[in-house]
Amino acid sequence: DAGVTQSPTHLIKTRGQQVTLRCSPKSGHDTVSWYQQALGQGPQFIFQYYEEEERQRGNFPDRFSGHQFPNYSSELNVNALLLGDSALYLCASSLLWDREFWTGELFFGEGSRLTVL
Amino acid sequence: KQEVTQIPAALSVPEGENLVLNCSFTDSAIYNLQWFRQDPGKGLTSLLLIQSSQREQTSGRLNASLDKSSGRSTLYIAASQPGDSATYLCAARGLQGNTPLVFGKGTRLSVIA
Repeated sequence: DAGVTQSPTHLIKTRGQQVTLRCSPKSGHDTVSWYQQALGQGPQFIFQYYEEEERQRGNFPDRFSGHQFPNYSSELNVNALLLGDSALYLCASSLLWDREFWTGELFFGEGSRLTVL
Repeated sequence: KQEVTQIPAALSVPEGENLVLNCSFTDSAIYNLQWFRQDPGKGLTSLLLIQSSQREQTSGRLNASLDKSSGRSTLYIAASQPGDSATYLCAARGLQGNTPLVFGKGTRLSVIA
């Protein structure tokens, strides 16, 4: 049973560029959430997708956008990169909260380490 | 707004010692609380999930407790080993089922052989 997979694992960009990060949820999960973790900090919620729509959003600017595909996989896009966007980007999957077997447990991938120079 | 605090920020103990990591949250109206382990530069591994109706959960040498009334959770690690060295994060979920997790900054644990 494959867990949450993310790609790429590491990438380096320069200020002003754009980046796309990818995530495949755990088998059987239909909801994907993205978190940003700066060095020495706890993860911060960016947004959540299910049924191919953004359902909730944290306190992040519009430069951060996403997409969910029919197979439940997801992308995170960040435009006009800033130095402060350097972080570990974590994808988490779960069942939709109103599903019969929902427990509220989140499963995370290994993350994508983004460095902005 | 929920805030989660973990104290201490870092902890160093000799191998074999039993230890307790603390997590406090400001809003007691939570659905559940989840403990994670994070190795340097890696993702989060779920350790224990405690539903709001539960007082504790156990997995091997780990035991997590939850006291909603005081806004506290503890993670107890028995007979610590060098392989337990990692950052431990706790996260609380609000009462509405779809609310995102709110994380603490974690406790960095070093177990010295």
